[in-house]
Amino acid sequence: KQEVTQIPAALSVPEGENLVLNCSFTDSAIYNLQWFRQDPGKGLTSLLLIQSSQREQTSGRLNASLDKSSGRSTLYIAASQPGDSATYLCAVAGGYQKVTFGTGTKLQVIP
Amino acid sequence: SAVISQKPSRDICQRGTSLTIQCQVDSQVTMMFWYRQQPGQSLTLIATANQGSEATYESGFVIDKFPISRPNLTFSTLTVSNMSPEDSSIYLCSVLPGTGIAGELFFGEGSRLTVL
Repeated sequence: KQEVTQIPAALSVPEGENLVLNCSFTDSAIYNLQWFRQDPGKGLTSLLLIQSSQREQTSGRLNASLDKSSGRSTLYIAASQPGDSATYLCAVAGGYQKVTFGTGTKLQVIP
Repeated sequence: SAVISQKPSRDICQRGTSLTIQCQVDSQVTMMFWYRQQPGQSLTLIATANQGSEATYESGFVIDKFPISRPNLTFSTLTVSNMSPEDSSIYLCSVLPGTGIAGELFFGEGSRLTVL
């Protein structure tokens, strides 16, 4: 059974700082890994999708990497802003439509 | 990509009643899913909504409690039946556009249910 862990559970940083969020998974037989952002009480917004054959994806200030063999992914946020404050979730697709979500990292960026 | 609309966005319900959540997608999609997110928890898949046939439920979820309809490729409903306070959660509709085995998931804004 796939297990997805996100560390840290919560993170507070001053505005402008670069930061890294971590996601680890136990079964390396995955199709893809997706990072989401969730604002309080809201749905999920897709940030980046990394296919199993890829090493990284970039979108603006966001960069996600994937090391399938070690079961790890990181989400790098450059020059953080207060608007980046949210919970960040990673999700691993390990089979036909079988998606496992991590428990999330709650990020607070302090002005 | 896909744009997903969910209604209601939030509701407060009485114990023992039922509530139906609607999910409308702006394009035809084959795969549509319903998730639950309990307070402080991550997402748990309730079921896959199949067009024209019965939904496929995950372990721990049953049709009598969470009946699902999928009359066409752009619309689905989830009913939470005979609600109790333990059903207080955010319910999320999700779609997987395209025909591949795994692709990018898109989510609606969620429906936040509070059961008193």
